[in-house]
Amino acid sequence: DTGVSQNPRHKITKRGQNVTFRCDPISEHNRLYWYRQTLGQGPEFLTYFQNEAQLEKSRLLSDRFSAERPKGSFSTLEIQRTEQGDSAMYLCASSLGRRGSYEQYFGPGTRLTVT
Amino acid sequence: SQELEQSPQSLIVQEGKNLTINCTSSKTLYGLYWYKQKYGEGLIFLMMLQKGGEEKSHEKITAKLDEKKQQSSLHITASQPSHAGIYLCGAGPYGNKLVFGAGTILRVKS
Repeated sequence: DTGVSQNPRHKITKRGQNVTFRCDPISEHNRLYWYRQTLGQGPEFLTYFQNEAQLEKSRLLSDRFSAERPKGSFSTLEIQRTEQGDSAMYLCASSLGRRGSYEQYFGPGTRLTVT
Repeated sequence: SQELEQSPQSLIVQEGKNLTINCTSSKTLYGLYWYKQKYGEGLIFLMMLQKGGEEKSHEKITAKLDEKKQQSSLHITASQPSHAGIYLCGAGPYGNKLVFGAGTILRVKS
């Protein structure tokens, strides 16, 4: 059973460019979450999916951010017109989402640096 | 909204010593999660607590949730260099989003 994988692991981009991150959850996990973490802070929730349905979005997720999970498997997080404030670690997690199995398992993260 | 406060923010212990990290919530906890993170990496799931008074152990790490379900503690016995890292508590009910504390940085001196 492989864990949650994220690609790329590191991304350096210039301000104003668009970036896309990918997350592959643990197989059979119904729920998929995106978080953002800045230095010295705990992760902050961005959005999550139950299968292909996006159930909740944080107010942190401005119009420049969009997430998808087509077919309820992998997910992508796109940031348009990146700003320096978007520099952070973007973490993906997945869970079975069933009673007794709510633990979220995290991937290694994608570190974004906007120059 | 729920807020989690962790204490201490950081600590340095001598190898072999015991230590405790606390996590206090502004609201009743429905699902309390402990994670460990190495710098620049993802979070590793340690334990989940749900019931008041619940206690779980894994190897030399024990986590407890108080009866009122507003505070949790993580206790490490006989610390080792492998225990070094950032410990994060997270809370959220029934598979919904998690709210995290700011983390506790643990350094173990050998």
